[in-house]
Amino acid sequence: QKEVEQNSGPLSVPEGAIASLNCTYSDRGSQSFFWYRQYSGKSPELIMSIYSNGDKEDGRFTAQLNKASQYVSLLIRDSQPSDSATYLCAVKAGGYNKLIFGAGTRLAVHP
Amino acid sequence: GAVVSQHPSRVICKSGTSVKIECRSLDFQATTMFWYRQFPKQSLMLMATSNEGSKATYEQGVEKDKFLINHASLTLSTLTVTSAHPEDSSFYICSNSEQGDGYTFGSGTRLTVV
Repeated sequence: QKEVEQNSGPLSVPEGAIASLNCTYSDRGSQSFFWYRQYSGKSPELIMSIYSNGDKEDGRFTAQLNKASQYVSLLIRDSQPSDSATYLCAVKAGGYNKLIFGAGTRLAVHP
Repeated sequence: GAVVSQHPSRVICKSGTSVKIECRSLDFQATTMFWYRQFPKQSLMLMATSNEGSKATYEQGVEKDKFLINHASLTLSTLTVTSAHPEDSSFYICSNSEQGDGYTFGSGTRLTVV
């Protein structure tokens, strides 16, 4: 069983729509969760972090965490073509300092 | 936030040679740095954790004699790919281990071994 799982996509949404990206993790001891965006050929950049159950909003982005279900999601409202990228879910393993990454979901926003 | 500078951004080397990649923390003291490798269309795979003043911790399956990590100061960690082969061609990325809101990544190094 993979430690962090994501649907590889591609997820295709029209411009202006809501994109929903999902992630599950296996380590119940995990406490910190991150969403990164990675454009082709570039290194990842942090979009959101979330540590507590519930929602966390930052501009067009909302991260949702449900520790009981071991589930993290990222919603992107009013999607733009510039949001087209691979979105990586990362989990900080319980008791460790390192991040474990999912395989990433490729998002394509078409005009 | 923290800034991590990684060089070179791109390198082409001949099979059998060694390549050194540098990762510098510009505005903070990094006692720990992480080194990742990413093959095309795949996610980041942690290779090793670099610890200032001590030996690096390698992930399972990563050859420590092939991927030499040095973290001699609080601002510089290096990864040397020794006796490189075409299968080592990949995107290598370092990150800090800043406490708080996420980790910052270097800009990455595209290694091509011919």
